[in-house]
This record gives sequence, structure tokens and C-alpha cells, in this order.
Amino acid sequence: GAVVSQHPSWVICKSGTSVKIECRSLDFQATTMFWYRQFPKQSLMLMATSNEGSKATYEQGVEKDKFLINHASLTLSTLTVTSAHPEDSSFYICSARVLVPNYGYTFGSGTRLTVV
Amino acid sequence: GDSVTQMEGPVTLSEEAFLTINCTYTATGYPSLFWYVQYPGEGLQLLLKATKADDKGSNKGFEATYRKETTSFHLEKGSVQVSDSAVYFCAGEETSGSRLTFGEGTQLTVNP
Repeated sequence: GAVVSQHPSWVICKSGTSVKIECRSLDFQATTMFWYRQFPKQSLMLMATSNEGSKATYEQGVEKDKFLINHASLTLSTLTVTSAHPEDSSFYICSARVLVPNYGYTFGSGTRLTVV
Repeated sequence: GDSVTQMEGPVTLSEEAFLTINCTYTATGYPSLFWYVQYPGEGLQLLLKATKADDKGSNKGFEATYRKETTSFHLEKGSVQVSDSAVYFCAGEETSGSRLTFGEGTQLTVNP
């Protein structure tokens, strides 16, 4: 139970284009989702926290206009990287807080974004 | 604010060796503590957790005990396998409903 499906698993895009990453909770309702960025051989860096039906809360230093987060339903949150540049290339991971039956966090499988 | 510190890596062991990965936390209260494992190119999977002092989390031969007196949550396994090769993250949640704070991650490589 408590599975988060993240798509795509990898994407290559050209500089200047936008890319959308989706995270779906398959068997539970995710009122809160988290988006992380991970650089090679480093830990996860929290980018933003999204609550269903309200605006996302971004961490300091994260450009909200560049990383658009939408959490319009209890089962879907999306991250759109707008006007992507090579420095946006990274591994992006979503996570959802799980309340029942066991409290905790479940993670998507990640998206490898490469901007060329 | 709260923080989680893991032992510096990477760690390389031979199969069937004993594993310890140290994790300590700094928090104003008593956070819930987690160990996650990440295999190459994948997201994180919960390995085990503990929500209060003296709790022991265990899964797949891994164990960790929440030690309030030393503010630690060290991960141990008595006999590692090649398939245990992965990156291990310690994480804490200060209060229920807040957010996870991750350690730096420890790369474990187990050689046959």
C-alpha cells in the first residue's frame, strides 16, 4: 500500500522548453506532497511542499516561477520545470506523507532530467 | 533547527561482514527517526523507523535503536549481502506533520 507513481522516469529536453513531472498516489489520498532535487552523490534537497488545493510553499532559494508545482487533487501533484537550462539537469523525486495505516512518507521512483 | 548527521562514507565491506552506519540527530524535541535505502536510479524506500526513545526498528535483517541518551539511531546488520549495496539515508521528523530532514547519505558497497 501507499504507493506513489512518478513519471516520466527519465526525460531529455532542449534548452528553453518546459518539462512536466507527475506524481500520483495510487492507493491513498495525498494531502501533502514534497518535491526534492538530488545531485549526484548528494542528499535530497527539499524544493517545495505542496498541499492539495493551496499554493505550494517553496524553500529559500528555489525559484517558484521556474519550478511550478500544482497539487489540484488528492492523488496528483505535478512539477513543471519552465524554460529549462542545462543547470536544471538533475534527479527529481516526489514524496507523499502517509497517514494510514502507518504514518510515514513514501517516495516516487524519481525522474532523471537532462537538458541539452 | 533540527539536523541529522551520518557517518562519512563510502563504506566498502565484504559479503557477510557486520555493518554499522552511524546517525545522530540534533533537535529540540524527540523526533521520529527513519532509515531509507536508495538503489541506483531509483527513489527512496523506507527501511525501518522508530517513533520514540528505546524503540527498535527492524527490517530485512537491518536494525536501529532510538537512543535518546546519545541522540543516535545507528543502522546495523549482522551479515551484509551484495544486494545490500545502495545508498542509505538517515532522516528525522521533528514533529508529526512537519517535514523530513535527511542526513548526507552513506554509499555502501558489498563485494562478493
